[in-house]
Amino acid sequence: DGGITQSPKYLFRKEGQNVTLSCEQNLNHDAMYWYRQDPGQGLRLIYYSQIVNDFQKGDIAEGYSVSREKKESFPLTVTSAQKNPTAFYLCASSLALSSYNSPLHFGNGTRLTVT
Amino acid sequence: GENVEQHPSTLSVQEGDSAVIKCTYSDSASNYFPWYKQELGKRPQLIIDIRSNVGEKKDQRIAVTLNKTAKHFSLHITETQPEDSAVYFCAAKNDYKLSFGAGTTVTVRA
Repeated sequence: DGGITQSPKYLFRKEGQNVTLSCEQNLNHDAMYWYRQDPGQGLRLIYYSQIVNDFQKGDIAEGYSVSREKKESFPLTVTSAQKNPTAFYLCASSLALSSYNSPLHFGNGTRLTVT
Repeated sequence: GENVEQHPSTLSVQEGDSAVIKCTYSDSASNYFPWYKQELGKRPQLIIDIRSNVGEKKDQRIAVTLNKTAKHFSLHITETQPEDSAVYFCAAKNDYKLSFGAGTTVTVRA
């Protein structure tokens, strides 16, 4: 059964700690993305990756970092530099970055709470 | 960059009535416009999409229209049912980037 797996579903951290959110896909998709969802603000792009070992900043990359060492995996690290890290984080993938016939497939999300 | 505005932010309709959500975009180079539905606590899922060379597309009770000149597109849901209650997001794609609207919370009253 193909899909995108995000873990954990809920994550709690103390302020000042870095935290890494996991995202794994077995869809054989080249492109992967991280979005942040806040109430009333839709989905905002944090980082995206077109291929292995390549990634680009999205609209709100400050305070975040990513890696793409394997095609299947695109972990997101929320660093202590992110001023408002509490949010719902969605990972997504698509067959290719710019293809029309390549809609986004989303994971179930990770809700991060930082206190 | 692309700016997508979505209206209304909330929409309450009687079961069986129609629901319409409207979005505008700013970048005339955007050429792909998907709509996603997100039920409470679940992942967004694609429900319908339209390319810039098409003016209208329909899939059972949902339809999307696109006006490239005015740079707006709309989602129409007919004969609404309780399971249509969800948050709906429009999006516009330019080259590689998909920009989302803020979402519309649709509530279908029984």
